[in-house]
Amino acid sequence: QVQLQESGPGLVKPSQTLSLTCTVSSGSISSADYYWGWIRQHPGKGLEWIGYINNRGNTYYNPSLKSRLIISVDKSKSQFSLKLSSVTAADTAVYYCARASRLGELSLGYWGQGTLVTVSS
Amino acid sequence: DIQMTQSPSTLSASVGDRVTITCRASQSIRSWLAWYQQKPGKAPKLLIYKASSLESGVPSRFSGSGSGTEFTLTISSLQPDDFATYYCQQYNDYSGTFGQGTKVEIK
Repeated sequence: QVQLQESGPGLVKPSQTLSLTCTVSSGSISSADYYWGWIRQHPGKGLEWIGYINNRGNTYYNPSLKSRLIISVDKSKSQFSLKLSSVTAADTAVYYCARASRLGELSLGYWGQGTLVTVSS
Repeated sequence: DIQMTQSPSTLSASVGDRVTITCRASQSIRSWLAWYQQKPGKAPKLLIYKASSLESGVPSRFSGSGSGTEFTLTISSLQPDDFATYYCQQYNDYSGTFGQGTKVEIK
């Protein structure tokens, strides 16, 4: 059973870059061409899709975040990462990483536990 | 961008009730729709993918239907463990918009 774990700073200053990493265990990120995703949830609010990447490095971004967003994959470390630049308080949220439920699908069947990132000076 | 509209936002129901949640897409997404259940402080859990396919391990009281722009999630007989918030997500054309969620509360 694949497991995912988000890691990164819990506090980021406004205008700086938010960087998070998702480590995949119990299965390599290279084992098959799954899609991997980032999703966030503002406090007390609904889910917001951030973007997808596959292990070939093809990326698909939320248009509202695209100008500030980079998602990348490091197959050697079985990790994928998110970088969101020029953050404001509106980027304060729980950030989840996830994997597609099966090959050829973009529905997300495996999730990390989530990590709270607060943007504040 | 494809917009997803869920209704209702909140639903009060009793154990044993049949519950239906609707999700509408602003344009056709064929059958590229998923349903998730989320409980407080937890990550979402996939229930249904490709509009009507039941994810492994999910009880058969959950079912999904629809295609194009109109979709429904039905819980045939609500159980105590089902009180949670439910989200639809479209994933047509490599995007992933979520609906705003439906909170299922105890009546």
